[in-house]
Order: sequence, then C-alpha cells, then structure tokens
Amino acid sequence: AQKITQTQPGMFVQEKEAVTLDCTYDTSDPSYGLFWYKQPSSGEMIFLIYQGSYDQQNATEGRYSLNFQKARKSANLVISASQLGDSAMYFCAMRDGASYDKVIFGPGTSLSVIP
Amino acid sequence: EAQVTQNPRYLITVTGKKLTVTCSQNMNHEYMSWYRQDPGLGLRQIYYSMNVEVTDKGDVPEGYKVSRKEKRNFPLILESPSPNQTSLYFCASSREGEEQYFGPGTRLTVT
Repeated sequence: AQKITQTQPGMFVQEKEAVTLDCTYDTSDPSYGLFWYKQPSSGEMIFLIYQGSYDQQNATEGRYSLNFQKARKSANLVISASQLGDSAMYFCAMRDGASYDKVIFGPGTSLSVIP
Repeated sequence: EAQVTQNPRYLITVTGKKLTVTCSQNMNHEYMSWYRQDPGLGLRQIYYSMNVEVTDKGDVPEGYKVSRKEKRNFPLILESPSPNQTSLYFCASSREGEEQYFGPGTRLTVT
C-alpha cells in the first residue's frame, strides 16, 4: 500500500538558515508524482513544488528545492534562507500514476523560524 | 480570479442532521477531491472525481457521499453526521497530473 512518512513532527530553524524537511514514500507504481504543500496558521493549503518520478533533475522553485533520491524513496524539501513567514505546517503528498487524482498525504512537519 | 470556493466555512450541527458542503471551482479542472484534516493525521482523501459523473472512493469514504453533475461543482454530503466526522474539510481541484488548488476549508463540528 502507498504510504508517506514524515518523521519530524516539529522543527526549528534560525532565520536566514537553510532547513531540510524529510519525506519518505512507499509505492510499487513506477510512475508517480510527489508534492509539497505549505499550510500557514491561517489554514489555507499552498502548493510549493512538484517532482515527477521520471524527472531527471531535482525540482527547484525559488527558495524551495526538492532533494529527490529515488532509490531511497525520499523526497526531502529544502528551504534556503528561511524567513519568518516560512513558519507553517508542511505536507508531503504523493499521487500515483494509475489514478491521477488518488493522493495521499503525510502527517506533516511543523516548522518554526526563530528570529 | 482562479479559485476554489467552499460553503459554509464554519458549521456546527447535531448528530443525524443531514448536511451538504458545497465546492465550486472556476478553472475548468477535470479533477476534484474532498479531504478531511485531523491533527497528527495530515489530510486524508474522502472521495475524488475525474470528471462529470465519475467518482471514486478515497481512503476514508464511510459516512460521506458526493456527486459530480457539473464540472465546476463537487458537493460533499453527510447523510447522518456523527461526532467522529468533526473535522476540517478541504475541497481541491486540478488538471490531470498537476498540483491541486485547495478551497479555504470548512470547519465542521458535530455534537
């Protein structure tokens, strides 16, 4: 069965430092997509970054990058130069290739940025 | 403005009283989903739809119904709500293979 694991319930990072949020996944499908979403305290879900299973290069979007290690089934989110506004819950999610809209989410990591 | 709207945003109801949470998107997306969010569990998919009249169960469909009669609308129906359905509910839409756009959420309390 598909599964997403985020082993860090809570993380702290100093402002302007980089931080890595861990995500491991389990699937037997060779085709899948991995997503990271941010949920600030206001509650909305914000898409950050996407990595496809066949993408050769790690995805990057501004200060966000995805450290994709396919053999280890990990898709860690790296946030560079943390800002106070980065304090939020972060969710890793996976969509398998067989069913484009069947999506599973991890339990999330709460990130706090310290001034 | 491209958006997913949900109504109501907040709802307090009693056990057994049928309710509907509406969801509408204006992006002409084929795919729509409903999720519930509970502390420590992340988001769990209730139902999803790949197009009009095509729906399928997610991981936690018990106690919920959906319908997709129009492409833009995907209501969530609780025929007989129970306290264990107290949760934060999100509707989302997407194009095939792309990221999801989420509604603002509906906080439901069943007493």
